[in-house]
Amino acid sequence: GENVEQHPSTLSVQEGDSAVIKCTYSDSASNYFPWYKQELGKGPQLIIDIRSNVGEKKDQRIAVTLNKTAKHFSLHITETQPEDSAVYFCAAAVTGFQKLVFGTGTRLLVSP
Amino acid sequence: NAGVTQTPKFQVLKTGQSMTLQCAQDMNHEYMSWYRQDPGMGLRLIHYSVGAGITDQGEVPNGYNVSRSTTEDFPLRLLSAAPSQTSVYFCASSSGQGSGNTIYFGEGSWLTVV
Repeated sequence: GENVEQHPSTLSVQEGDSAVIKCTYSDSASNYFPWYKQELGKGPQLIIDIRSNVGEKKDQRIAVTLNKTAKHFSLHITETQPEDSAVYFCAAAVTGFQKLVFGTGTRLLVSP
Repeated sequence: NAGVTQTPKFQVLKTGQSMTLQCAQDMNHEYMSWYRQDPGMGLRLIHYSVGAGITDQGEVPNGYNVSRSTTEDFPLRLLSAAPSQTSVYFCASSSGQGSGNTIYFGEGSWLTVV
C-alpha cells in the first residue's frame, strides 16, 4: 500500500521567511496530493492540493510542487506570518477511492 | 452551512463499554470516511463509504463498525472499547471524483478509554 513520509517534523522560522515542507510517496498510482493545516483542537483544513497532471500550483503565499518521477511533492509558504503557525500534513490518494494516506505532520512555528 | 458535524466532542469510556461517534454532513456528499489521529502517526483511515449502503475497511478497521443507511450520516461504533482506542477521531466527506476530490473534515471527537 501507499506510504507517505514527511520532513521535517518541526520547523521554526522567523516572520517573513519562507518555509518548505517535503513529502515522498511510494505508490505510483497516487494522483491526488492535498495539504492540510491543523490548528490546535481543530480538524484538518485543506489549504492547497495538486493533481498529477500538473507540476506546480500556487495560491497567494502558498505553493505546491510535484515531481512524479521522483515521487515527491513539497509545500512552500512565503512571507510567513505568526498565524501560519500550525501542524501541516501532506497526503496522497488515488482519485476516486477517497482513501487518503497522510504523512506524520510538520509543526511549523513562526516567530515574530 | 454546517459542513461536517461530529458528536460528541469529548467522551470518556471504560474498557469494554460500547459507544457510537456520530457524523453528519449537509453537503450531499457521496464519500464519507473516518480517521483516527494519534501522536506522531498522522491520520489513519478506519472505514470509508462511497455511498449509502456501501462501506469498506481502511487501514485500521479492527474494533470498529460502520454503517451508511443515509447519504448524510456515517456513524462509527466502538464495539468493546480498549485503551488502544484512545485517540482523536475525525470524520470526513467529499463529493467524489467528479468534483475534484476535495475532502472536508469535521472538528474531531476526543475519546479516552480508561
